[in-house]
Amino acid sequence: DQQVKQNSPSLSVQEGRISILNCDYTNSMFDYFLWYKKYPAEGPTFLISISSIKDKNEDGRFTVFLNKSAKHLSLHIVPSQPGDSAVYFCAASEAGTASKLTFGTGTRLQVTL
Amino acid sequence: EAGVAQSPRYKIIEKRQSVAFWCNPISGHATLYWYQQILGQGPKLLIQFQNNGVVDDSQLPKDRFSAERLKGVDSTLKIQPAKLEDSAVYLCASSWDRDSPLHFGNGTRLTVT
Repeated sequence: DQQVKQNSPSLSVQEGRISILNCDYTNSMFDYFLWYKKYPAEGPTFLISISSIKDKNEDGRFTVFLNKSAKHLSLHIVPSQPGDSAVYFCAASEAGTASKLTFGTGTRLQVTL
Repeated sequence: EAGVAQSPRYKIIEKRQSVAFWCNPISGHATLYWYQQILGQGPKLLIQFQNNGVVDDSQLPKDRFSAERLKGVDSTLKIQPAKLEDSAVYLCASSWDRDSPLHFGNGTRLTVT
């Protein structure tokens, strides 16, 4: 049972444009959501998070939007840069913390010149 | 600051053999996690330590997997005996506490033949 779903395995975006990565979840007890970025042969690195009491969180070029009623979140990257090419994982926790994360299967983002 | 260190980077064993992975977390991080990432899937939590005590091992296959964190610092994860389906990347992560984002190591890629 996949509680966190990233339905797009891959996404290709031109440099300078907006990248939108989507994530859906089924567990209504999830109340804390995170995005991780992973380069090949490296471990995931934390990117940005959002608590269920918010619907938006921004950090530089990265913005995460949360729609609780739709059980959907998205990560926007504006403008996209070649160095953003990586696999992006959505993760969720029902503990209200970063502990016991349930990860999605990831979306591979390719930013082209 | 130095990151989470894991060794070895790669390991190839035959089924029914045993294997051990080692992790050294970021200095001062009280919480340590082991995740299993099977190809094409997101990381799955195996076990979580708070200092040298186990907080959550509900998804650890205890008939063959074991983990310990002596003195609340380094940790080892052991598989005995290994099965073909244990082929995966084993990621260690640490955090200051249960409320802080996880910092991942680069992982150990295990291939069971």
